[in-house]
Amino acid sequence: GDSVTQMEGPVTLSEEAFLTINCTYTATGYPSLFWYVQYPGEGLQLLLKATKADDKGSNKGFEATYRKETTSFHLEKGSVQVSDSAVYFCALIGNTGKLIFGQGTTLQVKP
Amino acid sequence: DTGVSQNPRHKITKRGQNVTFRCDPISEHNRLYWYRQTLGQGPEFLTYFQNEAQLEKSRLLSDRFSAERPKGSFSTLEIQRTEQGDSAMYLCASRTLKTSPGWEQFFGPGTRLTVL
Repeated sequence: GDSVTQMEGPVTLSEEAFLTINCTYTATGYPSLFWYVQYPGEGLQLLLKATKADDKGSNKGFEATYRKETTSFHLEKGSVQVSDSAVYFCALIGNTGKLIFGQGTTLQVKP
Repeated sequence: DTGVSQNPRHKITKRGQNVTFRCDPISEHNRLYWYRQTLGQGPEFLTYFQNEAQLEKSRLLSDRFSAERPKGSFSTLEIQRTEQGDSAMYLCASRTLKTSPGWEQFFGPGTRLTVL
């Protein structure tokens, strides 16, 4: 069945460091891909998405490119802030319309 | 637009008791989803409704779990004879089928269940 694999955390970075969180997927067909973020004590929020190969999703300085050839959707940010500390989830929607999530990666940014 | 709301936010119960959670989706959102998130894991799909019809149930949803959406608006998730393994965050999400980006699911804050 469809699945998503993320790099294990926690990821600890200093403020202004470069961030990469790896995400790969397995799916039949051509899923839409998402990154969700969960800040402490809050619900899941959509961070960005891409619906077809080579699409780049971007929001709040974060970017991810839908790479069909490597079945990847890695999340990147050039300069992280303390306020980016959160849990990040990679997810896909396949033909069934339900979200399938990775296990989440905790990001901690230190000042 | 007040977003997706869930009640209660926290529930502590003793093993063997029944619990019921409520989800109010964004107004006019046709689809409503339930997910379960255990500590250190991503959310896992439980079930979803299109209007009042329950269209799919995960194998995670044992016979002790039942969900309803009687008028195609709010939904309830009931767990009977709770077990300690039911302790988790229960998330509700909704989406519209009418407009683009139609795929986006909007999540509520969740109900955290602790079974003692």
